[in-house]
Amino acid sequence: KQEVTQIPAALSVPEGENLVLNCSFTDSAIYNLQWFRQDPGKGLTSLLLIQSSQREQTSGRLNASLDKSSGRSTLYIAASQPGDSATYLCAVKDRDDKIIFGKGTRLHILP
Amino acid sequence: KAGVTQTPRYLIKTRGQQVTLSCSPISGHRSVSWYQQTPGQGLQFLFEYFSETQRNKGNFPGRFSGRQFSNSRSEMNVSTLELGDSALYLCASSSFAGTANTEAFFGQGTRLTVV
Repeated sequence: KQEVTQIPAALSVPEGENLVLNCSFTDSAIYNLQWFRQDPGKGLTSLLLIQSSQREQTSGRLNASLDKSSGRSTLYIAASQPGDSATYLCAVKDRDDKIIFGKGTRLHILP
Repeated sequence: KAGVTQTPRYLIKTRGQQVTLSCSPISGHRSVSWYQQTPGQGLQFLFEYFSETQRNKGNFPGRFSGRQFSNSRSEMNVSTLELGDSALYLCASSSFAGTANTEAFFGQGTRLTVV
């Protein structure tokens, strides 16, 4: 059974710092991995999608990597801003087309 | 292009009642999935529909059901509501099923409170 774990559960960093969020999954038989952002009480905003054959994806200040063999992904945020404060969710799409989510990392950027 | 639309945004229901939630996917998308989000359990998969057929179902009781119409709009129904059904219900749409490059787009969710 696929399980997705995100560490840490919460993180506070000063504005301007670079940071890394971690995600691990137990079954490497995935279609893709997607990183989402969720603001309090809101829906999910897709940040990056990495297909199973890819190693990384970049969008602006965000870079996500995927190491399928070790079951790990990282989301790198450069030059963090207060507007980056949110919960970041990692999700894998398994071969049954289900999306399995981690519990998320609550990120707080200190002005 | 309009995003995923979920209605209503908020609902308050009494235990024992039933509720129907609606999701309109992005135009052209044929796959719709439903998720329940609670503080304790996080996001849990309910079911997925593709071209009016249920392709996958999560581990939820039979009180939770859904359907998809020919225009890809989907509804989710919960019967005999329990206090534990209080949650944010999220719908996701994607263009295809069973492919690696299919990105999932989520709606803003329906906040259901059962009293």
